Amino acid sequence: QKEVEQNSGPLSVPEGAIASLNCTYSDRGSQSFFWYRQYSGKSPELIMSIYSNGDKEDGRFTAQLNKASQYVSLLIRDSQPSDSATYLCAVIRAGGTSYGKLTFGQGTILTVHP
Amino acid sequence: GAVVSQHPSWVICKSGTSVKIECRSLDFQATTMFWYRQFPKQSLMLMATSNEGSKATYEQGVEKDKFLINHASLTLSTLTVTSAHPEDSSFYICSARDLGRGYEQYFGPGTRLTVT
Repeated sequence: QKEVEQNSGPLSVPEGAIASLNCTYSDRGSQSFFWYRQYSGKSPELIMSIYSNGDKEDGRFTAQLNKASQYVSLLIRDSQPSDSATYLCAVIRAGGTSYGKLTFGQGTILTVHP
Repeated sequence: GAVVSQHPSWVICKSGTSVKIECRSLDFQATTMFWYRQFPKQSLMLMATSNEGSKATYEQGVEKDKFLINHASLTLSTLTVTSAHPEDSSFYICSARDLGRGYEQYFGPGTRLTVT
């Protein structure tokens, strides 16, 4: 089992729809969870961080965390073509807090078509 | 806030030469900096973690004598690729973290290295 696994994609949604990106992690003691967006040829950009169970909203983005199910998701409302990118789920595993090493999923490619 | 810069953004060098890449945190003090490498269509691979004033901690399989990392101040870390070879051609990305802000890592724009 991979340490961090994302829905394989690619994911294609029409403009204005909700895009749902999912991520599961294997280390039950993981404490910190992040979503990054990476455009082709560019470096990752932090979109959301979430540490507690429940939802966290920032503009069109909502991150959801369920530690019991070891599941974290990202919803993008009113998707725009500019949201087309690779989305990376990242986790800081238990015991890794002091160094803050991120463990990344393989990424999900999202395409928003007009 | 939380801006990280890298220099140069791209570099071409001849096989056998060394290349230095700088990573700077512009508006915060980076207690920890990380260096990643990314090959086309692959995910990020962590190379090493460095704390200011300490030796870097390298990931398994990364040659510390080939990839020299120096984190001399709270705003600057450098990666030197020594005796570069074509297989070292890649996208090198640094990230920085300020524990005072939390556990978020902020990435620099990356440096594309091509070794001919």
